[in-house]
Amino acid sequence: QITLKESGPTLVKPTQTLTLTCTLSGLSLSTNGVAVGWIRQPPGQAPEWLALIFWDGDTRYTPSMKNSVYIAKDTSNKQVTLKLTNVGPDDTATYFCAQHTNGFFDQWGQGILVTVSS
Amino acid sequence: DIVMTQSPDSLAVSLGERATINCKSSQNVLYSFNNKNYLAWYQQKPGQSPKLLIYWASTRQSGVPDRFSGSGSGTDFTLTISSLQAEDVAVYYCQQYYDNPYTFGQGTKLEIK
Repeated sequence: QITLKESGPTLVKPTQTLTLTCTLSGLSLSTNGVAVGWIRQPPGQAPEWLALIFWDGDTRYTPSMKNSVYIAKDTSNKQVTLKLTNVGPDDTATYFCAQHTNGFFDQWGQGILVTVSS
Repeated sequence: DIVMTQSPDSLAVSLGERATINCKSSQNVLYSFNNKNYLAWYQQKPGQSPKLLIYWASTRQSGVPDRFSGSGSGTDFTLTISSLQAEDVAVYYCQQYYDNPYTFGQGTKLEIK
């Protein structure tokens, strides 16, 4: 059974860097074809895809946030990390990590609600 | 970016009746080299994460009841629930994965009439 679980701070101050971790179970980031993405969802709004990392270390970012988002993996610890720099109130959202397959997301974590406020 | 527009924004259907949700993409999401539409549908119940229902526009994810079906090609797509059940109350989203960035529709809220 594949599970993903997000962890990190639930409250961050404006201008800080947000770091979130996705811990995988039943899924290895060293397996050919495996990829994990981050998607966020502001309250009451649609999901927004942010970033993606593949088993071989290749990364993809949504162009509008390419300079403020960074994704990395720790294969041995089965973790994927998302960093979002210089956060503001518009970054308040539930952040999900999800297994990516051919472009769609077939397994999602439960999500973590992050609030940006001073 | 490819803009995904769903209609209607909300929908109320009686139990046992058919529910139809539409999704229109601002650009074609059909790849001619493999004849696949890069379009997925998700269901999100309150307080839960999205759940994949349909991919390649019409392929049902494992474990998804067969009352859910997807159709369409190119720029126009439809999610149909053939006989609405109480547990189908949710928000439904379409997503294109044809191009970066992947984009989602604004969602359609489905309720019981």
